[in-house]
Amino acid sequence: DAGVIQSPRHEVTEMGQEVTLRCKPISGHNSLFWYRQTMMRGLELLIYFNNNVPIDDSGMPEDRFSAKMPNASFSTLKIQPSEPRDSAVYFCASSWGNIQYFGAGTRLSVL
Amino acid sequence: KQEVTQIPAALSVPEGENLVLNCSFTDSAIYNLQWFRQDPGKGLTSLLLIQSSQREQTSGRLNASLDKSSGRSTLYIAASQPGDSATYLCAVESNNAGNMLTFGGGTRLMVKP
Repeated sequence: DAGVIQSPRHEVTEMGQEVTLRCKPISGHNSLFWYRQTMMRGLELLIYFNNNVPIDDSGMPEDRFSAKMPNASFSTLKIQPSEPRDSAVYFCASSWGNIQYFGAGTRLSVL
Repeated sequence: KQEVTQIPAALSVPEGENLVLNCSFTDSAIYNLQWFRQDPGKGLTSLLLIQSSQREQTSGRLNASLDKSSGRSTLYIAASQPGDSATYLCAVESNNAGNMLTFGGGTRLMVKP
């Protein structure tokens, strides 16, 4: 398996634009996680899906953030409208059991 | 709310030295604790997982211990090598948290040749 695949790897956008981050989990994994990593706050869990159903979205910072998992092989994290403080590295991870496997991340810069 | 702290934030050692990274957590009601490695510009890779009923886990030159009652874990790296240079993060899965992890801020390790 190719592992967890995230796209794009880098995204530069202007404030106010919509941003969509994509994730393809490892085949057969039933849990998917979106994280955000910044120097100030470290690695924070945004939302967690199990069997394509959102289980906990308490980490989603505000209504500008939304996440979907329409099927077992694809998830998106959308920010609309984006703001400079959203600049961070966004990771997707998937798991079957206790070990989470991370993608390489999307580095987002909002100017 | 679970909080995870890692000390030191950064560490620089000469090659060959044995070293210890520390992790502490505030709520001892945990299901497991994991140590991850993160290389610059990359995602996280799981190194060791310790279940709450276990005291330690070993993988090669790495040994992780867990003292749940005191809320502490250590990652011991023997005979460090330049290739060990990376950021090491610990994460705990609290009871009743599903598979959700709470991460520490990480220790950035530099092993000098």
